[in-house]
Amino acid sequence: QVQLQESGPGLLQPSQTLSLTCSVSGGSVSGGGYYWTWIRQHPGKGLEWIGYIYYSGSTFYNPSLKSRVTISIDPSKDQFSLEMSSLTAADTAVYYCAGGPAYYFDYWGQGTLVTVSS
Amino acid sequence: QSALTQPASVSGSPGQSITFSCTGTSSDVGNYNLVSWYQQHPGKAPKLLIYEVSKRPSGVSNRFSGSKSGNTASLTISGLQAEDEADYYCSSYAGSITLVFGGGTKLTVL
Repeated sequence: QVQLQESGPGLLQPSQTLSLTCSVSGGSVSGGGYYWTWIRQHPGKGLEWIGYIYYSGSTFYNPSLKSRVTISIDPSKDQFSLEMSSLTAADTAVYYCAGGPAYYFDYWGQGTLVTVSS
Repeated sequence: QSALTQPASVSGSPGQSITFSCTGTSSDVGNYNLVSWYQQHPGKAPKLLIYEVSKRPSGVSNRFSGSKSGNTASLTISGLQAEDEADYYCSSYAGSITLVFGGGTKLTVL
């Protein structure tokens, strides 16, 4: 059974850069042709797709966030990561990592709350 | 790329059938059979219920079914149960290797 776990700081200041890592266990990020993705959920709001990385390293981003986001993958550690720059309070959200065969995701992390505040 | 439109809330009684709608455009829902549905209980991660409009992953109850007509996708829950009370989100491929979600619908079981 594939399991995902997010890790990273919970509190950041405006203008800082967010770095989150998703560790995959019970499977490999480089096998099976999966898309590994980051999704966020603002408090009390809906889901927002941030972007994904294919096991080959190809990346695809939400056009509204593309200028601030980088997703990378480290097959040697079975991890993939999210970097988001120039943070504002509007980036306060629960960030989920997830994985799936195509444009849907059957594996999800538990989510990690990121708060942007001075 | 705009969010898909879902009603904010729906309610139903145990045993009833209930249908959620998810309206997009000809650039997403209407153009691809790549609509998914997720169930999210409070404080939990979303769970995949339906993919590719109407396919159910292994382990998901056959009380959940999906369909699509034009730019609107639908999720139906039959034999509503108390444990079905949750938020439901749709998503769709939107072209150019991008994905869009709906705003979610809160289901209350009366």
